[in-house]
Amino acid sequence: KNEVEQSPQNLTAQEGEFITINCSYSVGISALHWLQQHPGGGIVSLFMLSSGKKKHGRLIATINIQEKHSSLHITASHPRDSAVYICAVRYGNKLVFGAGTILRVKS
Amino acid sequence: DAGVTQSPTHLIKTRGQQVTLRCSPKSGHDTVSWYQQALGQGPQFIFQYYEEEERQRGNFPDRFSGHQFPNYSSELNVNALLLGDSALYLCASSLAGLNTEAFFGQGTRLTVV
Repeated sequence: KNEVEQSPQNLTAQEGEFITINCSYSVGISALHWLQQHPGGGIVSLFMLSSGKKKHGRLIATINIQEKHSSLHITASHPRDSAVYICAVRYGNKLVFGAGTILRVKS
Repeated sequence: DAGVTQSPTHLIKTRGQQVTLRCSPKSGHDTVSWYQQALGQGPQFIFQYYEEEERQRGNFPDRFSGHQFPNYSSELNVNALLLGDSALYLCASSLAGLNTEAFFGQGTRLTVV
């Protein structure tokens, strides 16, 4: 069983919709990362969270340490947001990744 | 700042061969981690190098080895390649410490035939 579970696995949205991707993890962590991966492979770090909430443009990330749960929200989604969104948690020196959520935003 | 750079970008090897992948960390970063990402899956931790030593290792066989140089760049070596080693290999650099942000390279796509 993966230590990091993401949902949904696949998500198709219409342009302008509000999107939520969820991440749950099983043990205590020091930090949680939300990452974006486009076709071709390169990974871009969106957020690193230890507590609370962070916002960058149309992206919002929240984390609830007690419930071991984090969410990534995209407001006013756009086709250029189409990508794989990956949650990764930091255990000591390593990152443990979820399987990713494939997001497709249609115009 | 060039960020994290990996080379080569694509590579095709034959079963049984050996391969070396290279990573230059983001300027100022001293820690390099390697990950393997099979198609349709999340990356899996291979190992991490800091101060030219392997600091932590994931669940990968000894065929996977690495090195870190004094300039913090790193190599990943895989011996006796198997078809199942075909994957995207990602390098991430960071500063030593528990809650520092990791920056990723574009990856090396390895195909074993």
